[in-house]
Amino acid sequence: KAGVTQTPRYLIKTRGQQVTLSCSPISGHRSVSWYQQTPGQGLQFLFEYFSETQRNKGNFPGRFSGRQFSNSRSEMNVSTLELGDSALYLCASSLEGQFKPNYEQYFGPGTRLTVT
Amino acid sequence: DAKTTQPNSMESNEEEPVHLPCNHSTISGTDYIHWYRQLPSQGPEYVIHGLTSNVNNRMASLAIAEDRKSSTLILHRATLRDAAVYYCIPLNIQGAQKLVFGQGTRLTINP
Repeated sequence: KAGVTQTPRYLIKTRGQQVTLSCSPISGHRSVSWYQQTPGQGLQFLFEYFSETQRNKGNFPGRFSGRQFSNSRSEMNVSTLELGDSALYLCASSLEGQFKPNYEQYFGPGTRLTVT
Repeated sequence: DAKTTQPNSMESNEEEPVHLPCNHSTISGTDYIHWYRQLPSQGPEYVIHGLTSNVNNRMASLAIAEDRKSSTLILHRATLRDAAVYYCIPLNIQGAQKLVFGQGTRLTINP
């Protein structure tokens, strides 16, 4: 079975621009979660989608948004980029979503976003 | 979310067992205890999880205290590839897919 894939792997953007990151979960997985990793803040939860619905959301501004398609693929969008948005963005998929804490998540390799 | 306490760092030798402790004294009765690790320059990787009983899989064993206020991840024979940051994460029904990563334990394996 193919693992979680994320595209692109690396991205350089300038302040004020917007960016869209893509995540393809493991086949059959319906839950997709997004995380931001920075040296200062560590790994932080952004949001989770299950069956095209956002189920859970972290403490990030509205500039961060996402969506999930009927085939479970997910995209994350960041508008009006700021320097502080430079980070590794990780996507994780799971067979089940909310209310199922006994299921593990599988992470992709991440997209390294640099904002200049 | 239940708070966790883990040592900042630990060191061990190759082919020796490693016991990584985690204190989660505020855990609720229905919280699962998950362990993930992150190798350098990679995304986090699931290791193991349990509720009350000790658990074993091909990667590790998880020993859960009887009062569930602490747990220990056991790597039976550490290899260089096990050098990573290990995170202990309690998960409940409401936040089932919301992994909250603390500081974790940075494990160094000496050859």
